[in-house]
Amino acid sequence: GAGVSQTPSNKVTEKGKYVELRCDPISGHTALYWYRQSLGQGPEFLIYFQGTGAADDSGLPNDRFFAVRPEGSVSTLKIQRTERGDSAVYLCASSSPPDNEQFFGPGTRLTVL
Amino acid sequence: TQLLEQSPQFLSIQEGENLTVYCNSSSVFSSLQWYRQEPGEGPVLLVTVVTGGEVKKLKRLTFQFGDARKDSSLHITAAQPGDTGLYLCAGVSTYKYIFGTGTRLKVLA
Repeated sequence: GAGVSQTPSNKVTEKGKYVELRCDPISGHTALYWYRQSLGQGPEFLIYFQGTGAADDSGLPNDRFFAVRPEGSVSTLKIQRTERGDSAVYLCASSSPPDNEQFFGPGTRLTVL
Repeated sequence: TQLLEQSPQFLSIQEGENLTVYCNSSSVFSSLQWYRQEPGEGPVLLVTVVTGGEVKKLKRLTFQFGDARKDSSLHITAAQPGDTGLYLCAGVSTYKYIFGTGTRLKVLA
């Protein structure tokens, strides 16, 4: 079956613009995670969804970042008033019981000029 | 703040050599995972260790979880060019995954 997909694969935007990053998890996976990975670093937790609700959004850096998962499947990470420091690869992962193994998408590389 | 430090940060070795990567934390985790990540892709799970002192072997890779469940090591025997990649450890506490700083391994033919 299909794995986790993320679109777009690359996004270049200008400082101050709004961007949306999309994640399509594996069908039937109830949990969905967003991470941010800067060059040469490990992924940094942003937000965790269980079904439609954000169970833990403690990793979102500030109120410019917001994520939704309205039907418990596809998720969108939204970034307002982008800053150069937001440039990174944004990874999405999904998982489901019983083993809760995370399956990652290929990521969206965001570049803010 | 939970932090996972990995060492070394970079490692370049010749094919056939052995190596060990370390993952250390001041926090206790319910389990610890190791991932490998290739350029342009997301991390892929290699193994999960759950019990303090646990040792798991996956072909030429040996993973160990510390007795206190705060640290772990990954040992690769007779490294091959196909082992090249970014190795990440991740501590797991209920649903939350805290990733380490990463070890970038390059195996030269």
